[in-house]
Amino acid sequence: DIVMTQSPDALAVSLGERATINCKSSQSVLYSSNNKNYLAWYQQKAGQPPRLLIYWASTRESGVPDRFSGSGSGTDFTLTVSSLQAEDVAVYYCQQYYTTPHTFGQGTQLEIK
Amino acid sequence: EVQLVESGGDLVKPGGSLRLSCAASGLTFTDAWMTWVRQAPGKGLEWVGLIRSKYDGGTADYAAPVKGRFTISREDARNMVYLQMNSLKTEDTAVYFCTKDVPFTGGGAIAFWGQGTLVTVSS
Repeated sequence: DIVMTQSPDALAVSLGERATINCKSSQSVLYSSNNKNYLAWYQQKAGQPPRLLIYWASTRESGVPDRFSGSGSGTDFTLTVSSLQAEDVAVYYCQQYYTTPHTFGQGTQLEIK
Repeated sequence: EVQLVESGGDLVKPGGSLRLSCAASGLTFTDAWMTWVRQAPGKGLEWVGLIRSKYDGGTADYAAPVKGRFTISREDARNMVYLQMNSLKTEDTAVYFCTKDVPFTGGGAIAFWGQGTLVTVSS
């Protein structure tokens, strides 16, 4: 199974500042035949199901604010929140869908400093 | 609008069985790859398994902790997907989400989530 490891486990950032969450996979999730990284990012607020933010490592899902962006390739990926808003407090997860099982990272709690 | 509604969650004793159901609407269900994801209380997300569309073979894949105990099936005529859970263990206690991916991501990037149904395994 591909192991997904996020860092840090928790992060506190001031309002309006940048937040960066990292995700590392134990093997590459880049599919060479289409040059796509099979990596998604989710946001989960308390008491709610997760919400898809990013897929193919950098494609923003419809309706997601453009302050959320994804980058990286191969085994190393980053989710960036360019200017933190109060409503961004949540747990963030990465997930690979390169091969089953489609494993998730352990999650990163993002809070306001 | 895609809607996924789970049902069937309950309190069950270790070793028992339970079947979860998921009613899907607002999508072409016959084309859909459907995935179950669970979340233990206060814990992270755990991928349980997926079932492919009949066109893509209708086969299912499972996570190691549930393989051999859980079975995913689908009933396209009723837009339903099921999770049959046997030999339940206390560590299966979780909210179970029925989900649907972004098209052409191989059941991967999950765009649609149900509200979840709680399964509690306890004596």
